[in-house]
Amino acid sequence: AQTVTQSQPEMSVQEAETVTLSCTYDTSENNYYLFWYKQPPSRQMILVIRQEAYKQQNATENRFSVNFQKAAKSFSLKISDSQLGDTAMYFCAFMRFNNDMRFGAGTRLTVKP
Amino acid sequence: GAGVSQSPSNKVTEKGKDVELRCDPISGHTALYWYRQSLGQGLEFLIYFQGNSAPDKSGLPSDRFSAERTGGSVSTLTIQRTQQEDSAVYLCASSPVLTEAFFGQGTRLTVV
Repeated sequence: AQTVTQSQPEMSVQEAETVTLSCTYDTSENNYYLFWYKQPPSRQMILVIRQEAYKQQNATENRFSVNFQKAAKSFSLKISDSQLGDTAMYFCAFMRFNNDMRFGAGTRLTVKP
Repeated sequence: GAGVSQSPSNKVTEKGKDVELRCDPISGHTALYWYRQSLGQGLEFLIYFQGNSAPDKSGLPSDRFSAERTGGSVSTLTIQRTQQEDSAVYLCASSPVLTEAFFGQGTRLTVV
């Protein structure tokens, strides 16, 4: 089974600053997909960003960007200009080519005013 | 519907009773997933359906747990003889081929 590791159970950042959340994964496959999801207190899982493994260019969505290092099996999320609304649990996810999807344990991010 | 629908949103049951949790995926999505999330914790994989293939049941924690997906659409997760440690939020998600999964709001199960 594929494993996803998030080594930072909790993190905090001051409003307007930048924070990076770490994620590593273990797979022997060459084609796969990676995602970051956000789960605010409402419990609804929200897709933040996705990355296809065959693309070398790092994905970017507004203030959110990733650093995808395929050889190192690393997929970190950078949040720029942090906002209070970014406070949430963040989950890294790995999807195999057959759609099988597994998640990391999550990182609880708190943005402080 | 527009999104993944789960019912009930909350369920309180007595220890030892059976419960059924329902998930209506987005129409046309071939993959369907069930995850369990204990308070403040990550998503524990339970089971995964993909099209007509045999489901991946490797995450089911015991034989008290079972799930089915009828007609490639609606799925039901059944927990027999519930225990207090089964208390959690059960999340369902669906996905078209090779793209992100869309989640329902979850069912919060409380076993008393």
